[in-house]
Amino acid sequence: EVQLLESGGGLVQPGGSLRLSCAASGFTFSPFAMNWVRQVPGKGLEWVSGISVSGASTNYADSVKGRFTISRDNSKNTLSLQMSSLRAEDTAVYYCARDSYSTTRGAFDIWGQGTMVTVSS
Amino acid sequence: QSALTQPPSASGSPGQSVTISCTGTSSDVGNYNFVSWYQQHPGKAPKLMIFEVTERPSGVPDRFSGSKSGNTASLTVSGLQAEDEAHYYCSSYAGSTSVIFGGGTKLTVL
Repeated sequence: EVQLLESGGGLVQPGGSLRLSCAASGFTFSPFAMNWVRQVPGKGLEWVSGISVSGASTNYADSVKGRFTISRDNSKNTLSLQMSSLRAEDTAVYYCARDSYSTTRGAFDIWGQGTMVTVSS
Repeated sequence: QSALTQPPSASGSPGQSVTISCTGTSSDVGNYNFVSWYQQHPGKAPKLMIFEVTERPSGVPDRFSGSKSGNTASLTVSGLQAEDEAHYYCSSYAGSTSVIFGGGTKLTVL
């Protein structure tokens, strides 16, 4: 079964750090760009970050630039998002999503179930 | 970058057609044919319905179609069915490997 499974979400204090992981299974991971998309409960989708097939090219939304770092390990079929200097406005469900292309173009054809991140004291 | 503009709500009766618009700028929707549409039911992850403006992934009914004119993309759902009731989001490539989403449209089947 084609699947993305996120983990690592939870409650963290403002200014803290958290690392999200996404494990891919059921498909060949390496030929596709991977992304993180978040959604505040009851609100819309926001693209957070993307990474190319090799990991050499990464990009971030302005709202997280300088605080979040995306990475991938093609040997382990995993995607990660290191989040630091977390703010209350980072509170959201974080989805891992596969792009149909080798570089981010926004055709996210496979999504995980999401992991909740809550930033609160 | 600001989010793409979608109407907050749309509705139609079973069997009817409804069109949802998605307005961007010449830096995103108007400049690239990488417009996608997603369907999201409550508590579920989004599902890709349209990519590259008009293309349907395997398994998506042909009742769903996409188009684009200038800076505005559209999703049309024909032959509305009860299970089409959901939130719909558009997205566009915005250059430099970045993506922008619309604010979402709640489609109600009356």
